[in-house]
Amino acid sequence: DAKTTQPPSMDCAEGRAANLPCNHSTISGNEYVYWYRQIHSQGPQYIIHGLKNNETNEMASLIITEDRKSSTLILPHATLRDTAVYYCIVRVANAGGTSYGKLTFGQGTILTVHP
Amino acid sequence: DAGVIQSPRHEVTEMGQEVTLRCKPISGHDYLFWYRQTMMRGLELLIYFNNNVPIDDSGMPEDRFSAKMPNASFSTLKIQPSEPRDSAVYFCASTRGQGETQYFGPGTRLLVL
Repeated sequence: DAKTTQPPSMDCAEGRAANLPCNHSTISGNEYVYWYRQIHSQGPQYIIHGLKNNETNEMASLIITEDRKSSTLILPHATLRDTAVYYCIVRVANAGGTSYGKLTFGQGTILTVHP
Repeated sequence: DAGVIQSPRHEVTEMGQEVTLRCKPISGHDYLFWYRQTMMRGLELLIYFNNNVPIDDSGMPEDRFSAKMPNASFSTLKIQPSEPRDSAVYFCASTRGQGETQYFGPGTRLLVL
Protein backbone atom coordinates (compact mmCIF):
# COMPACT_ATOMS: atom_id res chain seq x y z
CA ASP A 1 0.00 0.00 0.00
CA ALA A 2 1.15 3.55 -0.72
CA LYS A 3 2.32 5.58 2.27
CA THR A 4 0.82 8.89 3.27
CA THR A 5 2.29 12.02 4.79
CA GLN A 6 0.24 14.32 7.00
CA PRO A 7 1.16 17.28 9.19
CA PRO A 8 1.34 16.16 12.82
CA SER A 9 -1.02 18.84 14.09
CA MET A 10 -3.30 21.67 13.01
CA ASP A 11 -5.51 24.23 14.67
CA CYS A 12 -8.83 25.60 13.53
CA ALA A 13 -11.27 28.14 14.92
CA GLU A 14 -14.76 26.94 15.65
CA GLY A 15 -17.12 27.68 12.78
CA ARG A 16 -14.35 27.97 10.23
CA ALA A 17 -13.42 25.43 7.60
CA ALA A 18 -10.74 22.92 8.52
CA ASN A 19 -8.57 21.86 5.59
CA LEU A 20 -6.46 18.80 6.29
CA PRO A 21 -3.83 17.96 3.68
CA CYS A 22 -2.44 14.55 2.81
CA ASN A 23 0.37 13.62 0.49
CA HIS A 24 0.30 10.22 -1.21
CA SER A 25 2.73 10.69 -4.06
CA THR A 26 3.28 6.94 -4.58
CA ILE A 27 -0.40 6.08 -4.88
CA SER A 28 -1.28 3.48 -7.49
CA GLY A 29 -4.12 3.64 -9.95
CA ASN A 30 -6.01 0.95 -8.07
CA GLU A 31 -5.86 2.60 -4.65
CA TYR A 32 -8.55 4.62 -2.92
CA VAL A 33 -7.95 7.51 -0.55
CA TYR A 34 -9.78 6.98 2.75
CA TRP A 35 -10.18 9.30 5.71
CA TYR A 36 -10.95 8.17 9.23
CA ARG A 37 -10.86 10.08 12.47
CA GLN A 38 -10.42 9.05 16.07
CA ILE A 39 -11.90 11.09 18.84
CA HIS A 40 -10.19 10.66 22.18
CA SER A 41 -10.90 7.28 23.79
CA GLN A 42 -13.06 6.09 20.91
CA GLY A 43 -12.58 3.76 17.97
CA PRO A 44 -11.73 5.17 14.53
CA GLN A 45 -14.71 6.53 12.62
CA TYR A 46 -15.08 6.48 8.85
CA ILE A 47 -15.43 9.91 7.24
CA ILE A 48 -15.18 9.67 3.46
CA HIS A 49 -13.28 8.05 0.61
CA GLY A 50 -12.60 8.60 -3.08
CA LEU A 51 -10.72 7.26 -6.07
CA LYS A 52 -10.35 10.06 -8.60
CA ASN A 53 -13.26 12.45 -8.29
CA ASN A 54 -14.01 14.86 -5.49
CA GLU A 55 -16.52 13.53 -2.99
CA THR A 56 -18.89 15.11 -0.49
CA ASN A 57 -21.07 13.67 2.23
CA GLU A 58 -22.79 14.96 5.33
CA MET A 59 -19.54 15.02 7.29
CA ALA A 60 -16.94 16.38 4.90
CA SER A 61 -15.63 16.97 1.40
CA LEU A 62 -12.65 15.26 -0.17
CA ILE A 63 -10.65 17.03 -2.84
CA ILE A 64 -8.20 14.85 -4.79
CA THR A 65 -5.70 16.48 -7.11
CA GLU A 66 -5.77 15.54 -10.77
CA ASP A 67 -2.52 13.60 -10.51
CA ARG A 68 -3.89 11.89 -7.36
CA LYS A 69 -0.66 12.56 -5.48
CA SER A 70 -2.35 14.57 -2.76
CA SER A 71 -5.75 15.25 -1.28
CA THR A 72 -7.46 17.56 1.18
CA LEU A 73 -10.19 16.75 3.65
CA ILE A 74 -12.47 19.70 4.29
CA LEU A 75 -14.69 20.05 7.34
CA PRO A 76 -16.78 23.03 6.23
CA HIS A 77 -17.81 24.34 9.64
CA ALA A 78 -15.63 22.84 12.33
CA THR A 79 -17.05 22.40 15.82
CA LEU A 80 -15.36 21.58 19.10
CA ARG A 81 -16.54 17.98 18.66
CA ASP A 82 -14.40 17.70 15.53
CA THR A 83 -11.25 17.77 17.67
CA ALA A 84 -9.65 14.42 16.88
CA VAL A 85 -6.83 12.62 15.12
CA TYR A 86 -7.49 12.46 11.38
CA TYR A 87 -6.00 9.60 9.38
CA CYS A 88 -5.47 9.62 5.64
CA ILE A 89 -5.12 6.08 4.28
CA VAL A 90 -4.65 4.67 0.82
CA ARG A 91 -6.19 1.29 0.24
CA VAL A 92 -6.18 -1.20 -2.61
CA ALA A 93 -9.41 -0.95 -4.57
CA ASN A 94 -9.38 -4.14 -6.61
CA ALA A 95 -11.03 -7.20 -5.21
CA GLY A 96 -9.00 -10.26 -4.46
CA GLY A 97 -5.81 -10.85 -2.53
CA THR A 98 -5.24 -10.57 1.18
CA SER A 99 -4.22 -6.90 1.00
CA TYR A 100 -7.60 -5.84 -0.37
CA GLY A 101 -9.59 -4.25 2.40
CA LYS A 102 -6.67 -3.82 4.80
CA LEU A 103 -6.28 -0.38 6.35
CA THR A 104 -2.78 0.79 7.26
CA PHE A 105 -2.93 3.70 9.69
CA GLY A 106 -0.14 6.26 9.95
CA GLN A 107 0.32 8.82 12.69
CA GLY A 108 -2.41 11.13 11.41
CA THR A 109 -3.03 14.82 12.06
CA ILE A 110 -4.18 16.01 15.45
CA LEU A 111 -6.82 18.63 14.71
CA THR A 112 -7.66 20.95 17.57
CA VAL A 113 -10.74 23.11 17.14
CA HIS A 114 -10.74 26.05 19.54
CA PRO A 115 -13.50 28.47 20.49
CA ASP B 1 -27.89 -0.90 14.94
CA ALA B 2 -25.89 -1.65 18.06
CA GLY B 3 -22.59 -1.30 16.30
CA VAL B 4 -19.54 -3.40 17.03
CA ILE B 5 -19.54 -4.52 20.65
CA GLN B 6 -16.37 -5.25 22.57
CA SER B 7 -15.88 -6.57 26.07
CA PRO B 8 -14.49 -5.92 28.51
CA ARG B 9 -13.95 -2.19 28.01
CA HIS B 10 -11.10 -2.20 30.51
CA GLU B 11 -8.90 -5.04 31.70
CA VAL B 12 -6.13 -4.95 34.27
CA THR B 13 -4.16 -8.12 34.79
CA GLU B 14 -0.83 -9.33 36.03
CA MET B 15 2.00 -10.55 33.90
CA GLY B 16 1.67 -14.21 33.05
CA GLN B 17 -2.11 -14.30 33.22
CA GLU B 18 -4.33 -15.27 30.31
CA VAL B 19 -6.38 -12.46 28.79
CA THR B 20 -9.39 -12.93 26.54
CA LEU B 21 -10.89 -10.06 24.59
CA ARG B 22 -14.28 -10.41 22.96
CA CYS B 23 -15.95 -8.91 19.94
CA LYS B 24 -19.43 -9.06 18.46
CA PRO B 25 -19.49 -7.69 14.90
CA ILE B 26 -22.39 -5.86 13.32
CA SER B 27 -25.05 -8.34 12.25
CA GLY B 28 -24.68 -9.32 8.60
CA HIS B 29 -21.03 -8.32 8.38
CA ASP B 30 -18.79 -11.06 7.02
CA TYR B 31 -15.37 -9.57 7.71
CA LEU B 32 -13.91 -9.02 11.16
CA PHE B 33 -10.64 -7.27 11.96
CA TRP B 34 -8.56 -7.07 15.15
CA TYR B 35 -6.29 -4.03 15.66
CA ARG B 36 -3.94 -2.94 18.41
CA GLN B 37 -3.09 0.67 19.24
CA THR B 38 -0.08 1.85 21.22
CA MET B 39 1.65 5.19 21.49
CA MET B 40 4.83 3.79 19.99
CA ARG B 41 3.42 1.84 17.06
CA GLY B 42 0.06 3.50 16.40
CA LEU B 43 -2.83 1.44 15.10
CA GLU B 44 -1.80 -1.95 13.71
CA LEU B 45 -3.84 -4.69 12.07
CA LEU B 46 -3.31 -8.00 13.85
CA ILE B 47 -5.58 -10.42 11.99
CA TYR B 48 -8.75 -10.52 9.97
CA PHE B 49 -11.43 -13.10 9.25
CA ASN B 50 -13.82 -13.70 6.40
CA ASN B 51 -16.86 -15.85 7.09
CA ASN B 52 -15.23 -16.98 10.34
CA VAL B 53 -12.03 -18.12 8.62
CA PRO B 54 -8.72 -16.36 9.35
CA ILE B 55 -7.42 -14.81 6.13
CA ASP B 56 -4.33 -12.88 7.17
CA ASP B 57 -2.65 -13.21 10.56
CA SER B 58 0.67 -11.68 9.54
CA GLY B 59 0.22 -8.90 12.08
CA MET B 60 -0.07 -11.19 15.07
CA PRO B 61 3.02 -10.35 17.12
CA GLU B 62 3.91 -13.80 18.39
CA ASP B 63 2.62 -17.19 19.41
CA ARG B 64 1.29 -15.84 22.67
CA PHE B 65 -1.49 -14.24 20.64
CA SER B 66 -4.33 -16.26 19.15
CA ALA B 67 -7.68 -15.34 17.65
CA LYS B 68 -10.76 -17.37 16.89
CA MET B 69 -14.13 -16.80 15.34
CA PRO B 70 -16.37 -19.75 16.21
CA ASN B 71 -19.43 -18.20 14.56
CA ALA B 72 -20.50 -15.13 12.62
CA SER B 73 -21.43 -13.17 15.72
CA PHE B 74 -18.47 -13.72 18.01
CA SER B 75 -14.69 -13.51 18.00
CA THR B 76 -12.02 -13.70 20.66
CA LEU B 77 -8.45 -12.49 20.88
CA LYS B 78 -6.46 -14.34 23.50
CA ILE B 79 -3.07 -13.53 24.99
CA GLN B 80 -1.40 -16.28 26.97
CA PRO B 81 0.78 -15.54 28.86
CA SER B 82 0.36 -11.78 28.93
CA GLU B 83 3.31 -9.42 29.27
CA PRO B 84 3.53 -5.71 30.19
CA ARG B 85 4.40 -4.82 26.58
CA ASP B 86 0.99 -6.13 25.53
CA SER B 87 -0.60 -3.14 27.26
CA ALA B 88 -2.55 -1.33 24.57
CA VAL B 89 -6.01 -0.58 23.29
CA TYR B 90 -7.40 -3.42 21.20
CA PHE B 91 -10.03 -2.61 18.60
CA CYS B 92 -12.33 -4.85 16.67
CA ALA B 93 -13.88 -3.76 13.38
CA SER B 94 -16.31 -5.36 10.97
CA THR B 95 -17.49 -4.82 7.44
CA ARG B 96 -19.89 -6.25 4.92
CA GLY B 97 -17.64 -7.18 2.05
CA GLN B 98 -13.86 -7.00 1.92
CA GLY B 99 -13.52 -3.57 0.37
CA GLU B 100 -16.29 -1.85 2.23
CA THR B 101 -16.14 0.63 5.10
CA GLN B 102 -14.85 -0.77 8.37
CA TYR B 103 -16.84 0.03 11.49
CA PHE B 104 -14.86 0.01 14.71
CA GLY B 105 -15.86 -0.92 18.21
CA PRO B 106 -15.08 1.19 21.28
CA GLY B 107 -11.97 -0.82 22.10
CA THR B 108 -10.64 -2.71 25.11
CA ARG B 109 -8.02 -0.98 27.21
CA LEU B 110 -5.61 -3.61 28.46
CA LEU B 111 -3.07 -2.97 31.18
CA VAL B 112 -0.67 -5.76 32.07
CA LEU B 113 1.19 -5.12 35.31
